[in-house]
Amino acid sequence: KAGVTQTPRYLIKTRGQQVTLSCSPISGHRSVSWYQQTPGQGLQFLFEYFSETQRNKGNFPGRFSGRQFSNSRSEMNVSTLELGDSALYLCASSFQGATYNEQFFGPGTRLTVL
Amino acid sequence: GEDVEQSLFLSVREGDSSVINCTYTDSSSTYLYWYKQEPGAGLQLLTYIFSNMDMKQDQRLTVLLNKKDKHLSLRIADTQTGDSAIYFCAETFYNTDKLIFGTGTRLQVFP
Repeated sequence: KAGVTQTPRYLIKTRGQQVTLSCSPISGHRSVSWYQQTPGQGLQFLFEYFSETQRNKGNFPGRFSGRQFSNSRSEMNVSTLELGDSALYLCASSFQGATYNEQFFGPGTRLTVL
Repeated sequence: GEDVEQSLFLSVREGDSSVINCTYTDSSSTYLYWYKQEPGAGLQLLTYIFSNMDMKQDQRLTVLLNKKDKHLSLRIADTQTGDSAIYFCAETFYNTDKLIFGTGTRLQVFP
């Protein structure tokens, strides 16, 4: 079974631009979550999607948005990029069954804002 | 509130045991996890413990949970150089996949 895939793996943008990151979950998984990892702030939760609905949102400005499609693939968008948005963006997927849900992480997209 | 703390660094000799500690503040967590991150890689789930358990053993890994003190620890027996990585504890809550991560502990194993 293929793991969680994220595209692109690396991205360089300039301030003011916007960016879209993609995450394909493991086949059959219905939940996708996104995290931002920076040296200063560590790993911070961005959003959680389940069956195309945003179930939870972290404490990030409105420039950060996301969505989930009917095939469970998810995208996140960051508009008006700032230098501080440079980070590793990780997505994770899980089946979301009745009890324990193991989350599987992708390799991440490393975004550099110049 | 949601706050998970870990010590920043741990250095151990190969073959010794490593103990990585974590404290959290939200007592409503359902599961607590330990993840490993190697350079340039994503997060690998090592083990987890349900919040009503005290201990869980999984091969070289032992997780201890003191719910009263909100303290979680991960013991790695017979630590190897391949265990060198950053270790994150994390908690989650009922009916969500949202993970609150600790600050991470960098484990360095020397021969």
